[in-house]
Amino acid sequence: GESVGLHLPTLSVQEGDNSIINCAYSNSASDYFIWYKQESGKGPQFIIDIRSNMDKRQGQRVTVLLNKTVKHLSLQIAATQPGDSAVYFCAENIRSAQKLVFGQGTRLTINP
Amino acid sequence: GAVVSQHPSWVICKSGTSVKIECRSLDFQATTMFWYRQFPKQSLMLMATSNEGSKATYEQGVEKDKFLINHASLTLSTLTVTSAHPEDSSFYICSARPFRLAGGSYNEQFFGPGTRLTVL
Repeated sequence: GESVGLHLPTLSVQEGDNSIINCAYSNSASDYFIWYKQESGKGPQFIIDIRSNMDKRQGQRVTVLLNKTVKHLSLQIAATQPGDSAVYFCAENIRSAQKLVFGQGTRLTINP
Repeated sequence: GAVVSQHPSWVICKSGTSVKIECRSLDFQATTMFWYRQFPKQSLMLMATSNEGSKATYEQGVEKDKFLINHASLTLSTLTVTSAHPEDSSFYICSARPFRLAGGSYNEQFFGPGTRLTVL
């Protein structure tokens, strides 16, 4: 299930199931969105990105969906594996400032 | 390709001392580097944007005299935490944006592995 902790929401899924991680963004002028995976004690690792003129993009085992109407982004991971355990962050590119703004993150845990 | 390194990976220092963290792009040139800070169980917060050969642009609330940034070359940026205090203890992460001849809004960034700073 999904729960909200003091700082970091957590999503627990069974190994082999699909995971859906959600993110709300704030700036209508953002032109580019990225999902990152961060393992404990490491820097963010690029997963997949999507431009604002698209609503869906697929990668290997991952799909990103963008709904600009409600400013919502999601990351779908198919057939979740133990190695997918990490914190996942969405980020939006503020075009005018040329900087990334990160969302709060979601911790994904895999149950065997 | 597109590897960013940070040094040191972790550092422990006494309160009142200064600490320098290096960020290097190993196989590409980066006209722009970014410094982020991440507290436990929180997201990455941008501290400053560093452009080679010019002064850094700091985000609101970040003290430029406390967090000194130098971007002396296209492959190296440094962050110096001056007179560090326990509340500065955090995970500091840099990223680098490759130099591109073409214009456009693409803001591709490659992230370093982070530096854990602990101030006693």
